[in-house]
Amino acid sequence: KAGVTQTPRYLIKTRGQQVTLSCSPISGHRSVSWYQQTPGQGLQFLFEYFSETQRNKGNFPGRFSGRQFSNSRSEMNVSTLELGDSALYLCASSLAAAGPGGEQFFGPGTRLTVL
Amino acid sequence: DQQVKQNSPSLSVQEGRISILNCDYTNSMFDYFLWYKKYPAEGPTFLISISSIKDKNEDGRFTVFLNKSAKHLSLHIVPSQPGDSAVYFCAAYAYNQGGKLIFGQGTELSVKP
Repeated sequence: KAGVTQTPRYLIKTRGQQVTLSCSPISGHRSVSWYQQTPGQGLQFLFEYFSETQRNKGNFPGRFSGRQFSNSRSEMNVSTLELGDSALYLCASSLAAAGPGGEQFFGPGTRLTVL
Repeated sequence: DQQVKQNSPSLSVQEGRISILNCDYTNSMFDYFLWYKKYPAEGPTFLISISSIKDKNEDGRFTVFLNKSAKHLSLHIVPSQPGDSAVYFCAAYAYNQGGKLIFGQGTELSVKP
């Protein structure tokens, strides 16, 4: 069974630009969550989608948005990039909500660098 | 507001000895806790979990202990192996918060031969 895939793996952008990251969950998984990982901050929850609906949202500005398609693939968009957006963006999928029986499986991440 | 805290950014242990990774939390509504392991250039992988109704869960060399009164959990690895060298994240979940996992900052474990 293929794991969670994320594209691209690496991305370099300049301030003010926008970026779209893609995540393909494990086949059959309907929940996709996005996290931002920065040094010293751990993984910060961005949002979670389930059956094309945003079910939960973290404390990030509106520049961060996402969506999920009918095949459960998900995209995350960041507009008007800032230097502080440089991070590893991780996508995780699970059968249902996180929690008992819903352990999340992570992709390798997209390393975004904003210059 | 860091609801899940791992106060030790790094830990170094000799091969064969016990590794103890600690995690503290502030939200008493958390009812499920997980540990993830992360190697460089890979996403975190699930290691072990524990429900808030238990105080211990064991899986091979890995044991997680939960002390609800102290809002503290720990991961014990016995015996430690060089392949265990990675960053370990604890995470917590509350049913009333849906699919939102709250992660700690991570502890980098180095197991020396």
